[in-house]
Amino acid sequence: DSGVTQTPKHLITATGQRVTLRCSPRSGDLSVYWYQQSLDQGLQFLIQYYNGEERAKGNILERFSAQQFPDLHSELNLSSLELGDSALYFCASRSYSGGNTGELFFGEGSRLTVL
Amino acid sequence: AQTVTQSQPEMSVQEAETVTLSCTYDTSENNYYLFWYKQPPSRQMILVIRQEAYKQQNATENRFSVNFQKAAKSFSLKISDSQLGDTAMYFCALFKLNSGNTPLVFGKGTRLSVIA
Repeated sequence: DSGVTQTPKHLITATGQRVTLRCSPRSGDLSVYWYQQSLDQGLQFLIQYYNGEERAKGNILERFSAQQFPDLHSELNLSSLELGDSALYFCASRSYSGGNTGELFFGEGSRLTVL
Repeated sequence: AQTVTQSQPEMSVQEAETVTLSCTYDTSENNYYLFWYKQPPSRQMILVIRQEAYKQQNATENRFSVNFQKAAKSFSLKISDSQLGDTAMYFCALFKLNSGNTPLVFGKGTRLSVIA
C-alpha cells in the first residue's frame, strides 16, 4: 500500500460526458502528479500541483482540468469525453522529507472506459 | 528536453535465469536520479530500484541490480534468479534534481514474461 488513494477504481461512461477522478496523497506529501496511461503505453505526464498551486503542465488536453484543495486532495476533471480518453489515470505524490530523491508514490489508478 | 528510451518492447526469460532490460536516456543535466518501476498485472506502479547520478557505485536491491554508465547515458536493469512474480511491465524513469518539482519522465516500458 503506497498510501495514495484514488477513487473510483473503475468508471464506464459515454462519449461527451464529464467525469471527476479523485486523489488523496500520502500523509504529509504536498505534491500531486497526474499521469495518463493508454493501453500498453508508457505514462504520460498531465499536470502537477504543489500545496494547492499548479507547478507544471504536460500534455494535458484543454478538455481536462485539475485542482488541488486545501486539504491537499486533488481532482482531475475530464469533459467532452472521447473514445481515445479511455485509459488508466494515475495519481502520485512525492515526499521531500530527507531530501528530494524524486521518487513518486503511485495510487492504484482509475480505469476510465469511454463507450 | 529529457527523453527516456527503452528499445525492447517485450522480453522473456526462463524461471531462475538472469535477464537484462535496457534503458538509455538523454539529459543535459548533471544531477539527476534514475528509477526502474515495475507494473504487474494488478497495474500498481512499484519502485524497484533507484540510482543517484553522482554515485559511481551501481545500486542493488536483492535480486535487482543496475548497470549505470553515465557517459553513455545508459541504465540497464538486471534481474537475477527470475521468479514468476517478476512478470510485469518495467519502466525506466528520469528525474532532474535541480529543477524543483519536475515530474518523472518515463520510457515506454518493456514487458517481461517469466516462463516456468
